[in-house]
Amino acid sequence: QKEVEQDPGPLSVPEGAIVSLNCTYSNSAFQYFMWYRQYSRKGPELLMYTYSSGNKEDGRFTAQVDKSSKYISLFIRDSQPSDSATYLCAMTGGSYIPTFGRGTSLIVHP
Amino acid sequence: DTGVSQDPRHKITKRGQNVTFRCDPISEHNRLYWYRQTLGQGPEFLTYFQNEAQLEKSRLLSDRFSAERPKGSFSTLEIQRTEQGDSAMYLCASTGRRTNYGYTFGSGTRLTVV
Repeated sequence: QKEVEQDPGPLSVPEGAIVSLNCTYSNSAFQYFMWYRQYSRKGPELLMYTYSSGNKEDGRFTAQVDKSSKYISLFIRDSQPSDSATYLCAMTGGSYIPTFGRGTSLIVHP
Repeated sequence: DTGVSQDPRHKITKRGQNVTFRCDPISEHNRLYWYRQTLGQGPEFLTYFQNEAQLEKSRLLSDRFSAERPKGSFSTLEIQRTEQGDSAMYLCASTGRRTNYGYTFGSGTRLTVV
């Protein structure tokens, strides 16, 4: 079993939908949680990072962490075709070395 | 500052040749990371520097791979005697005391071994 599990998708939604992307993890030492967006043949772009449990909002994006369930989510409101990309979750504990999920491919169709 | 720069963007090489990639991190960032990503997978950690010290290496990093960060600025990743299985995107990321867990990635170097 991998330390970080993420459904590869693809997840296909209509424009304007609320998107929910999720990751589960097994290492209880993870405390810092990150979400990245990656367009084809580009490097990952940091969207948000959070510490410990709770919610964090930034524009149309909300990151949610539930440490008791070892489950994190990224919600995208009012999704746009330009949001079509692969979304990667990443997490780390005290090692400063992020461990990534395999990414979920999101397609937002007009 | 324009972010993390990687060079070259693409590299095609014959099996058995040596290749070297360069990464220029954001100037005030003291931590620099190398990752490898293959199609349909997330980035896999290879190695990490704090300033000029190489603090951690993955078991993935065979003895054909070597990385340096002289003077704690840019870094190079060299692969000797390349194999077809080395074909991947090699990503560099950096972060610093102010950005902490906000790792910034470069655009990557895509290596194809033929």
